[in-house]
Amino acid sequence: GENVEQHPSTLSVQEGDSAVIKCTYSDSASNYFPWYKQELGKRPQLIIDIRSNVGEKKDQRIAVTLNKTAKHFSLHITETQPEDSAVYFCAASVRTGANNLFFGTGTRLTVIP
Amino acid sequence: DAMVIQNPRYQVTQFGKPVTLSCSQTLNHNVMYWYQQKSSQAPKLLFHYYDKDFNNEADTPDNFQSRRPNTSFCFLDIRSPGLGDAAMYLCATSAGKTLAYEQYFGPGTRLTVT
Repeated sequence: GENVEQHPSTLSVQEGDSAVIKCTYSDSASNYFPWYKQELGKRPQLIIDIRSNVGEKKDQRIAVTLNKTAKHFSLHITETQPEDSAVYFCAASVRTGANNLFFGTGTRLTVIP
Repeated sequence: DAMVIQNPRYQVTQFGKPVTLSCSQTLNHNVMYWYQQKSSQAPKLLFHYYDKDFNNEADTPDNFQSRRPNTSFCFLDIRSPGLGDAAMYLCATSAGKTLAYEQYFGPGTRLTVT
């Protein structure tokens, strides 16, 4: 099955700085790569996703890049704000009919005001 | 409006006493998933239903079962809960037959085993 690794496990940045979280996956058939933000005790919330036919996607302060050859993808958050503090999970799936997500181990991001 | 609803939000059960968690959806999605998330860990897929077809992950213990009586509802049954089954259980849905990829998560049920 798919194995997703995520680094770093914790990340502290000053408010206004950028944050980068990296993931690698093992299954070359994976074609969908979402990123979720999860606050304590709450559901995972999709913040951005990318499909395998795209190399980069941006949504305001958040961007994701995908390198299919190297099987890794990254989340970039610019101009970080204290409300960005949360646990971030990457995931990968082979989207056919169902879309089984295999999650990375998570990154706890702390934005220091 | 709530799209994926889970009941109860908190459930306490005794060691070995069967428990059922409930999930419903208003999205009319084909696929419903159950994930287990232990403290400070990533969600782990247990199984999913594509319409009425049940798909179990290879490493999901037999102690976990699921039922989907109709499109809207899906249940997670834990036949004999152990202390190690204490976790947040997340239900999610996705539209299988369209090009939509996104999975919608419910708020979760936090299970405590005493």
